[in-house]
Amino acid sequence: GAGVSQSPSNKVTEKGKDVELRCDPISGHTALYWYRQSLGQGLEFLIYFQGNSAPDKSGLPSDRFSAERTGGSVSTLTIQRTQQEDSAVYLCASSSQQNQPQHFGDGTRLSIL
Amino acid sequence: QQPVQSPQAVILREGEDAVINCSSSKALYSVHWYRQKHGEAPVFLMILLKGGEQKGHDKISASFNEKKQQSSLYLTASQLSYSGTYFCGTEGKNYGQNFVFGPGTRLSVLP
Repeated sequence: GAGVSQSPSNKVTEKGKDVELRCDPISGHTALYWYRQSLGQGLEFLIYFQGNSAPDKSGLPSDRFSAERTGGSVSTLTIQRTQQEDSAVYLCASSSQQNQPQHFGDGTRLSIL
Repeated sequence: QQPVQSPQAVILREGEDAVINCSSSKALYSVHWYRQKHGEAPVFLMILLKGGEQKGHDKISASFNEKKQQSSLYLTASQLSYSGTYFCGTEGKNYGQNFVFGPGTRLSVLP
């Protein structure tokens, strides 16, 4: 497709389980961002990948969160031992390079029971 | 550091004008503006890369005062479709100051 694709669109899981969220950026986009948005809140930066550079992980809230980007394309955000406060919409965005418009996916709505 | 946006929320009648401000405590390289409608992903509006630059699209325009580390988004003759939350995003000039979004301004346009 032409846009950023995220899967799953919805995920419901029990507290303590691990979850993996996937982002497929626009082809050729070197920059990829993950954000978290709680209900009615703003966009909280989590992690940023730019080409082959080391990712900026400064926004990850705890060591339960990790992300990787394989082959400079698809990215996976992993949350281990999920907690109820992890419930939010997780948004992925990509851009052709740093400081260019970010194109967002539709997000993954994560609910922790 | 997260930029500051003002106002936090604004209610308009169709056809009225609005200004949303974004300011930062750090020297800025660029400012982005996005709009997010309820239940949808944010959508890019415009990016300003140079001090003093002004850009416009239809009846939405923006300015960037690099010296004051501020940007303003201008919505003229607002339409119902303008309703949503507007986010500015800033990137600092110095190494390591990566992109960060402001808290958002909720705009409601009423008929």
